[in-house]
Amino acid sequence: QQPVQSPQAVILREGEDAVINCSSSKALYSVHWYRQKHGEAPVFLMILLKGGEQKGHEKISASFNEKKQQSSLYLTASQLSYSGTYFCGPAQRRSAGGTSYGKLTFGQGTILTVHP
Amino acid sequence: NAGVMQNPRHLVRRRGQEARLRCSPMKGHSHVYWYRQLPEEGLKFMVYLQKENIIDESGMPKERFSAEFPKEGPSILRIQQVVRGDSAAYFCASSRGQEPYQPQHFGDGTRLSIL
Repeated sequence: QQPVQSPQAVILREGEDAVINCSSSKALYSVHWYRQKHGEAPVFLMILLKGGEQKGHEKISASFNEKKQQSSLYLTASQLSYSGTYFCGPAQRRSAGGTSYGKLTFGQGTILTVHP
Repeated sequence: NAGVMQNPRHLVRRRGQEARLRCSPMKGHSHVYWYRQLPEEGLKFMVYLQKENIIDESGMPKERFSAEFPKEGPSILRIQQVVRGDSAAYFCASSRGQEPYQPQHFGDGTRLSIL
């Protein structure tokens, strides 16, 4: 089942902050975050592992609460370059044919628009 | 320092033709994933392959679609007898390992249009 992201869209002015949330109904091993600009490839931002850790990438950080099966992405002092669609990709550990691997299921995306 | 390479970037086919999409993973990566993305939607998992092995094809339609990752050469996603509903962007990603903490790096995608 697809994780749920909220909000679906957000509009900011440069310098404002935003939070994007991701909720899953399944037990998670990790959460991956990606940003995709229109017509381009999704770009990897960061991975959050079990343990409620927070990670950062420039002024973008994230948290992961595995008990609640939720992750949040925090964008601070947004820049024009932050515009794009943000996808969370919760990962589960799966097994097939004797191989254990991580399988990502992506949310529907959050469209972030930053205006000057 | 080449990333994931996909070709062609755009592919136009008529209904009933075959489409072949190619993906060369990043250097040092031996795990390949294919995803399909419809306009304004998220990425839907199709198949996960390691060299010469299909590990998980649970997201791939049972008919007309097949994927391979041979010992030598790129991974191929093949769609036979294409229909209008196959129009989408198809992304390939690769990772160094198979663990859930390994990041997947995406190629620029192939945009398939069916006339």
